[in-house]
Amino acid sequence: GAGVSQSPRYKVAKRGQDVALRCDPISGHVSLFWYQQALGQGPEFLTYFQNEAQLDKSGLPSDRFFAERPEGSVSTLKIQRTQQEDSAVYLCASSRTVRRASYNEQFFGPGTRLTVL
Amino acid sequence: DAKTTQPTSMDCAEGRAANLPCNHSTISGNEYVYWYRQIHSQGPQYIIHGLKNNETNEMASLIITEDRKSSTLILPHATLRDTAVYYCIPLQGSGDKLTFGTGTRLAVRP
Repeated sequence: GAGVSQSPRYKVAKRGQDVALRCDPISGHVSLFWYQQALGQGPEFLTYFQNEAQLDKSGLPSDRFFAERPEGSVSTLKIQRTQQEDSAVYLCASSRTVRRASYNEQFFGPGTRLTVL
Repeated sequence: DAKTTQPTSMDCAEGRAANLPCNHSTISGNEYVYWYRQIHSQGPQYIIHGLKNNETNEMASLIITEDRKSSTLILPHATLRDTAVYYCIPLQGSGDKLTFGTGTRLAVRP
């Protein structure tokens, strides 16, 4: 079956531009996560959705970052007025389960590499 | 969440076992130990997890010490495709966001 897909795979933006990154999770997965991965670092949590509800946005670095999942499936991460420090790979992951540490396999997409010039 | 310590890098020969250690001495009683890996230019991939018993699946084995302060991920017959960054991640029951750290970069050599 299809895994998590993300688009675009690569995005180059000029400083100050707005960008929108799309995530298509595995069908039926309740949980959806966004992570940011800077070069040479491990992924860092940005935000979490349970269906259409954004339950945790503690990792969003500034109010320029906004995420939505209006129908509980596809999600979009929007970054307004991009800055050079926003350059990173943005990873989306989905999970069938809801907040259960006894089984929490997250399925990751390939990521979107954002470069801000 | 518990902090983890992993070697920055390791290598092993193809076909041999790769043993990747992780220290999580501050782990709490309800935290599971999860292992993920990230192959170059791909998203992370789940490998295995456990609470206090040793676990095995088709990808790897996980050995957790009795005091739960450390664990070892074992890839029994490493292949070149196992070259990746391996992350050890304690995970509490009340939350499910993954805290990756910097992981161990494993290089499998021919």
